[in-house]
Amino acid sequence: GEDVEQSLFLSVREGDSSVINCTYTDSSSTYLYWYKQEPGAGLQLLTYIFSNMDMKQDQRLTVLLNKKDKHLSLRIADTQTGDSAIYFCAEWWGKLQFGAGTQVVVTP
Amino acid sequence: KAGVTQTPRYLIKTRGQQVTLSCSPISGHRSVSWYQQTPGQGLQFLFEYFSETQRNKGNFPGRFSGRQFSNSRSEMNVSTLELGDSALYLCASSLDWTGQGQSPLHFGNGTRLTVT
Repeated sequence: GEDVEQSLFLSVREGDSSVINCTYTDSSSTYLYWYKQEPGAGLQLLTYIFSNMDMKQDQRLTVLLNKKDKHLSLRIADTQTGDSAIYFCAEWWGKLQFGAGTQVVVTP
Repeated sequence: KAGVTQTPRYLIKTRGQQVTLSCSPISGHRSVSWYQQTPGQGLQFLFEYFSETQRNKGNFPGRFSGRQFSNSRSEMNVSTLELGDSALYLCASSLDWTGQGQSPLHFGNGTRLTVT
């Protein structure tokens, strides 16, 4: 697989929920990841899900996986200004294959 | 526990020169991977080292090389620098060989390389 696809931009109001979507390429991918990158920083691991799971919740984060459609989403509840960043989804098939990232802007 | 440490943070080099970047993994982590991040190409996998052996390699020319030491620290070398090598180079460590993807990668803050 070559292209993990993500929308490029998402604007959300503080306090609302954010949903970032991702379509991955390889149905045999075993693990799918979400990373966050703030300006001038590296990638911070947020969460990951094994391909035999449909959902994983970790505090404000909920990951949903639809294997049939090869669709992965990350929901951030009660979005805060500190959540403003670029979010990358990545699939594992021998190496981490990243999407182009979704810029999330949180407005007051 | 200290995170992944990369040095230096910034580098400016001239075309044709060579450069060495350094990475210290999280204590206890035995695998180190390197990624290149550019605005045009995004995040591209360079290579992974585990137990001082290269386990996987991306699609980069031979000018890009790396090694891992017995203490799991890793270095990456780029020879005969080109303008297109300007990028953020990210090192990531994982507890074990990434294998089937079950050992998550933890990234450092990167080395910003500018080639003039």
